[in-house]
Amino acid sequence: ETGVTQTPRHLVMGMTNKKSLKCEQHLGHNAMYWYKQSAKKPLELMFVYNFKEQTENNSVPSRFSPECPNSSHLFLHLHTLQPEDSALYLCASSPSGTTYNEQFFGPGTRLTVL
Amino acid sequence: EDKVVQSPLSLVVHEGDTVTLNCSYEVTNFRSLLWYKQEKKAPTFLFMLTSSGIEKKSGRLSSILDKKELFSILNITATQTGDSAVYLCAVEGYNQGGKLIFGQGTELSVKP
Repeated sequence: ETGVTQTPRHLVMGMTNKKSLKCEQHLGHNAMYWYKQSAKKPLELMFVYNFKEQTENNSVPSRFSPECPNSSHLFLHLHTLQPEDSALYLCASSPSGTTYNEQFFGPGTRLTVL
Repeated sequence: EDKVVQSPLSLVVHEGDTVTLNCSYEVTNFRSLLWYKQEKKAPTFLFMLTSSGIEKKSGRLSSILDKKELFSILNITATQTGDSAVYLCAVEGYNQGGKLIFGQGTELSVKP
């Protein structure tokens, strides 16, 4: 257990559905991240939140919409996704987004878009 | 463009062997290099190497950083089947807002 939890662990959705991924960290960290991991590709950073403020949007399509209501919770809202969005979505947290950056990862949500 | 390249992409060894995993990088204003181990799902942190700490060791695992040649190695001695995993290398630059650039990983399989 890393102190970062994600729900759901698996999600299957159609292209017209709307769903949300949830991440919660119990480490007292101030920075949270969403990553996408596709087969045989490097982890791709999607969004960074530092003290609840979004500090990075790595050219992510608008069908992915993040929300960070507080430093402990991070959501990824999904709508009208494409089959190529199927991947493992990982959440991570770190003490801060501006200092040496040991990130702790959650177990991920395995997303399948039909 | 910042990038991280790991080699080999996959490796099969037998228990007791020693393995060396490679990571080369290009990053603006290097701050740190991190190694993670990813088994089923969540990557778990192994080491962080910075300008002030270019060699780390924990049990059978050790890592060095060569800032001049822009690479790092992760060494695992006396491998065990539990070492089977994907090993990820990532780098961070200063003033990049916590952004880590990951390599594609090395998939290590340790056979009994």
